[in-house]
Amino acid sequence: AAGVIQSPRHLIKEKRETATLKCYPIPRHDTVYWYQQGPGQDPQFLISFYEKMQSDKGSIPDRFSAQQFSDYHSELNMSSLELGDSALYFCASSLGGTGDDEQYFGPGTRLTVT
Amino acid sequence: AQTVTQSQPEMSVQEAETVTLSCTYDTSESDYYLFWYKQPPSRQMILVIRQEAYKQQNATENRFSVNFQKAAKSFSLKISDSQLGDAAMYFCAYRRLISNFGNEKLTFGTGTRLTIIP
Repeated sequence: AAGVIQSPRHLIKEKRETATLKCYPIPRHDTVYWYQQGPGQDPQFLISFYEKMQSDKGSIPDRFSAQQFSDYHSELNMSSLELGDSALYFCASSLGGTGDDEQYFGPGTRLTVT
Repeated sequence: AQTVTQSQPEMSVQEAETVTLSCTYDTSESDYYLFWYKQPPSRQMILVIRQEAYKQQNATENRFSVNFQKAAKSFSLKISDSQLGDAAMYFCAYRRLISNFGNEKLTFGTGTRLTIIP
């Protein structure tokens, strides 16, 4: 079965640079979630989209922005990177609208800021 | 705001034995979901088991079962016949139930690292 695809899997950036993370949900899934997991920490919710509209927002810095495109893939744009942005970024997808959906996680993108 | 607490940062169990991981949560909602996720060294998040709050029966998935105490807001995970492959970080998670759109975020606990002793 098709799973959530994230690219790239690993990314190394320098401080103040910009990074773009991509997420391709499971086919027919219309909801995408982004989570950030710092070293030794639990995943923290950043933002979610349902049918290409932002549906919820968590502790996402103003330097970050995200969107969901017409094909339902999503991109997380991160600017003015800081050392503290080094983390594992998960994307998850689900089929919204039923109230009974399951979130399926991608393998994550490991971002290292030097 | 909902909070999830896992008070055991680390646990260990002998192979083939049984271990129970604890989780408590706080919410003012009456309808919600609770989950246990496993995160092995590969860092992939794997759903182990889920419980709907409106169901009184405890969920089971093969060697994994939960003890859901809604009044006490407690949700523990029991792993029977522990195997080496069970070694991982285990996260308890909460998700609010919304009737129209299933696009609610997950709120995670801080995790319990489980070690299996051969």
